[in-house]
Amino acid sequence: SAVISQKPSRDICQRGTSLTIQCQVDSQVTMMFWYRQQPGQSLTLIATANQGSEATYESGFVIDKFPISRPNLTFSTLTVSNMSPEDSSIYLCSVERGSNYGYTFGSGTRLTVV
Amino acid sequence: KQEVTQIPAALSVPEGENLVLNCSFTDSAIYNLQWFRQDPGKGLTSLLLIQSSQREQTSGRLNASLDKSSGRSTLYIAASQPGDSATYLCAVWDTDKLIFGTGTRLQVFP
Repeated sequence: SAVISQKPSRDICQRGTSLTIQCQVDSQVTMMFWYRQQPGQSLTLIATANQGSEATYESGFVIDKFPISRPNLTFSTLTVSNMSPEDSSIYLCSVERGSNYGYTFGSGTRLTVV
Repeated sequence: KQEVTQIPAALSVPEGENLVLNCSFTDSAIYNLQWFRQDPGKGLTSLLLIQSSQREQTSGRLNASLDKSSGRSTLYIAASQPGDSATYLCAVWDTDKLIFGTGTRLQVFP
């Protein structure tokens, strides 16, 4: 299965600032997925990132707040913009390698906004 | 709209017990189902993947079954250990994404 390196692993940020999270995959993948996990909650999909096209956002998530880049088939970034304490969550990236291997997740970024 | 529910929400058991975690989904038209484990504040580790044509999968002390017609999956953990303490998440493969259940938080005490 794929290996995903995600960083930073955690950060504490001031409200009003932005944080960019990076995910590097050890092989080429068509789609990368970004999830948010709010405290005590399950995972919610933010957006799907395809190389060479704009990301597709789920209902409730907008590009101005969560801009995503996908410059090549092994790398993607998610930016959390103009942060508020409500953005405090774990953010995870994921890839899917087919029905034989399933989805693989990065180690997550634990964000605290103060 | 697909909804995934897990029961129980939390479980605390002594070491050595056999456990059953339940996952139910509202739309039986799923591709696959995957079980994950999440340690506190960490990412997800894939435990078992059940393809749509399969009924169950086994890995070590773990066994997962899938009954699409009834919209259910179960994760069976044999001879539980303190190291099994974590949150267990099931996720159904929708057309182009995963939809996660609400999770079961498991604590196994010595």
